[in-house]
Amino acid sequence: SQTIHQWPATLVQPVGSPLSLECTVEGTSNPNLYWYRQAAGRGLQLLFYSVGIGQISSEVPQNLSASRPQDRQFILSSKKLLLSDSGFYLCAWSVRASGAHNEQFFGPGTRLTVL
Amino acid sequence: KNQVEQSPQSLIILEGKNCTLQCNYTVSPFSNLRWYKQDTGRGPVSLTIMTFSENTKSNGRYTATLDADTKQSSLHITASQLSDSASYICVVHLKANNLFFGTGTRLTVIP
Repeated sequence: SQTIHQWPATLVQPVGSPLSLECTVEGTSNPNLYWYRQAAGRGLQLLFYSVGIGQISSEVPQNLSASRPQDRQFILSSKKLLLSDSGFYLCAWSVRASGAHNEQFFGPGTRLTVL
Repeated sequence: KNQVEQSPQSLIILEGKNCTLQCNYTVSPFSNLRWYKQDTGRGPVSLTIMTFSENTKSNGRYTATLDADTKQSSLHITASQLSDSASYICVVHLKANNLFFGTGTRLTVIP
């Protein structure tokens, strides 16, 4: 069966510090991968998605970047965190297929607090 | 403007009671609509999916309806349980690789 992991589960970082959140998927190959942010009381906002190694699409301009060094690994990074980067970060995967968009399976999330 | 709006924002009900959550959307071209359940501090989990041609889908005590003409969907929860306390998110998929998320309804079931 497929599983998706995220770490760390929680993180408290000072403003201006770097960030690296990791997401890995097991039990599937060639998945689409996604990073979302969920601010308090807000809906999920798609940040990045990837359809393959080294292929990253950014949905919104921001202070963050993403990388996909391996097929089932997706990393969210920042060189200098802002207070507004605080939130709940979710990684998700879906089966890569043509046609209608497939169901996304979400990881457990990372709670980031920037102080 | 493509939007997905959910109501109410929050809801408190007694254990055992039924409730209905609403989702109105303006996005197009529509591909499918999903309802997700998100427990506090966890990732969302899919409950139901409906395509354009489907108007109802059940998953245990959860029943989703879709009216593609009026662009409305509802999620009905029957005989609520304490474990139903969560946020319920309506997500509309477009035929392009786009998703639109509602802001969710926070449901609290009290004993």
